[in-house]
Amino acid sequence: HLQESGPGLVRPSETLSLTCTVSGDSISNYYWSWVRQPPGKGLEWVAYVYYAGTTKYNPSLKRRVAISVDTFNHQVSLQMSSVTAADTAVYYCATYTSSSYFDNWGQGALVTV
Amino acid sequence: SYMLTQAPSVSVAPGQTARLTCGGNNIGGKSVHWYQQKPGQAPVLVVYDDSKRPSGIPERFSGSNSGNTATLTISRVEAGDEADYSCQVWQSDDDHHVVFGGGTKLTVL
Repeated sequence: HLQESGPGLVRPSETLSLTCTVSGDSISNYYWSWVRQPPGKGLEWVAYVYYAGTTKYNPSLKRRVAISVDTFNHQVSLQMSSVTAADTAVYYCATYTSSSYFDNWGQGALVTV
Repeated sequence: SYMLTQAPSVSVAPGQTARLTCGGNNIGGKSVHWYQQKPGQAPVLVVYDDSKRPSGIPERFSGSNSGNTATLTISRVEAGDEADYSCQVWQSDDDHHVVFGGGTKLTVL
């Protein structure tokens, strides 16, 4: 089970911070990812992190995004700096398999800039 | 950068077959995954690795991939299949990253 949390409203130019809490499964041996969806639009991959710390970012967002994993607290975090209205979206936490697909998703968290 | 092209909408009558396409340069050389998303809900994986179904997904959902087009086929369409469907690949041609198509809205008439 994946549960996203964070402030629903962020001011322009500030930093967006989201947390995904993992329950019912080990955080180890998985890739953890963030995918976002602006209102009325398609899905956009943001980043993923391996439990051991390896990260990968969407090239279009790389400069502003940081993803991390806290194995002790079973949490995956996302920070996005210098946000604008274009960053308004539902942000989903999802498990990303080594075969390159997303097999389990959280319910999503709406963030409005 | 690599792009996936999907038709914005497809309509089909109940009981008929829906074919949703995902176009991309030499997409046949990549593994394609499909997600179903109903309004207000998170996406659900319905096909992975071109044609495999996760447990719990009906056999009515099938996939194929060749050349520049991948296809999700839904047989004997039901009202409950009405949703947005998005394709996805791992793009490794240049800067490696995940790419989603823009999604197709399936309407059951």
